[in-house]
Amino acid sequence: DAGVIQSPRHEVTEMGQEVTLRCKPISGHNSLFWYRQTMMRGLELLIYFNNNVPIDDSGMPEDRFSAKMPNASFSTLKIQPSEPRDSAVYFCASSLSSLNQPQHFGDGTRLSIL
Amino acid sequence: GESVGLHLPTLSVQEGDNSIINCAYSNSASDYFIWYKQESGKGPQFIIDIRSNMDKRQGQRVTVLLNKTVKHLSLQIAATQPGDSAVYFCAELPGDSNYQLIWGAGTKLIIKP
Repeated sequence: DAGVIQSPRHEVTEMGQEVTLRCKPISGHNSLFWYRQTMMRGLELLIYFNNNVPIDDSGMPEDRFSAKMPNASFSTLKIQPSEPRDSAVYFCASSLSSLNQPQHFGDGTRLSIL
Repeated sequence: GESVGLHLPTLSVQEGDNSIINCAYSNSASDYFIWYKQESGKGPQFIIDIRSNMDKRQGQRVTVLLNKTVKHLSLQIAATQPGDSAVYFCAELPGDSNYQLIWGAGTKLIIKP
């Protein structure tokens, strides 16, 4: 079975550039999450979608970050303009939205902003 | 709560021995707990979960124990193999949220040949 699919796996770009990260959740899952992982702060929840609707975006660090989920099988996380401190591994996860269901993670996008 | 990744606790185990990874959770109202395994360059992989109405659950080579009295969770891995080398995270889901996981700091498991 296909798991959560993220692209690209690695992204290196210069500060000021726009970065778009992509995610395809597991088919049938109606909850989607974007996380950021760094050595200093561990895993941080950025935004949570349920049935394609953003429910909680309180973890989005700044207005430079935005996320969309135009349909049940696709989501994007965009950073514009990017800054060196945005360098991290970004994970997408999905789950069923019924109570007490595990979140299943993709293999992440390793983002480096020079 | 945030997990702190700078100084990961490390557990070294001889190949073939059993491993026990411990986790103290924070919220007495949490009613769902998950163990994840994260290998280098990969995302956290779901291993096993347990609900607060249980104190033990077994999977393939893994057992999770929950002690609600002392807010303690453990993951036991039987007959540890080289492929078990990874960072292991516990996560709890507070009773007032169905999505906001609280993550433990992580434990790095090293398998000695």
